[in-house]
Amino acid sequence: DIQMTQSPSTLSASVGDRVTITCRASQSIITWLAWYQQKPGKAPKLLIYGASSLQSGVPSRFSGRGSGTEFTLTISSLQPDDFATYYCQQYNSYSWTFGQGTKVEIK
Amino acid sequence: QVQLQESGPGLVKPSETLSLTCTVSGGSVSSGSYYWTWIRQPPGKTLEWIGYIFYTGSTNYNPSLESRVTISLDTSKNQFSLKLRSVTAADTAVYYCARVVGPTDSWGQGTLVTVSS
Repeated sequence: DIQMTQSPSTLSASVGDRVTITCRASQSIITWLAWYQQKPGKAPKLLIYGASSLQSGVPSRFSGRGSGTEFTLTISSLQPDDFATYYCQQYNSYSWTFGQGTKVEIK
Repeated sequence: QVQLQESGPGLVKPSETLSLTCTVSGGSVSSGSYYWTWIRQPPGKTLEWIGYIFYTGSTNYNPSLESRVTISLDTSKNQFSLKLRSVTAADTAVYYCARVVGPTDSWGQGTLVTVSS
C-alpha cells in the first residue's frame, strides 16, 4: 500500500493567516491526489483533485500544488469557516489511502 | 445533483455480519462514469477505504479487509451494499458510501455502526 503522511497533525492559526499543509506519499503518485475538508459530524468535502484542480464551488483561497511524492494544500487567507480537519488521499493505485489528517484550530 | 444515503443497523454483535445499503438518487449506479465506494472512519481516527464496485459488477477491496468484505450492486433499486463479516470492536466506525470519479466527489452523510454485545 502507498502510505500518505501529513504534517503538521495540528495547526493553530488566526483568521487572515496563510496556512500550508504538507502531504507526502511513500512512492510516486504522479498527481493522483485529492484534498478533503471535514467538519465534526459531517462527511468529507472534496476541495482539490489532480493535486491542483479546484473542485467546483470551492473558494479560490484554497490551492494545491505538487507532484510525485510531495504535495501541499494552501489556504491563502484563513476564514472562520475554514477551521476543520483536512485529509489528503491518493488514488493512483487500486488501493486508495488517506493521510492521518491535519486539524486547523483557532489560535 | 447526486445524493447518497446509507441505511442499516446501528448496532452489530461481535462475530456477526455488518450489512449496509446505499441508496443513490439524482444519478444512476449503472453509469459507466463512476465507481461506487464504501469508506469508514473509526471515532477520532482517519478515513479508511473499504472497497469499490463498478457498474459491471467488478470490485476491488482494501487488502486488509478483503477476506471479510463483499460489495454488491442492485441496479433495479439504484443501490449498492456492503457486507463485512466476523466483525469485532475494531470495526466500530462511521461508514460512508460515496461516488468516485477519480477523487471521491459525492458522499453520503455517514452512519455510525457500533460493534458490541
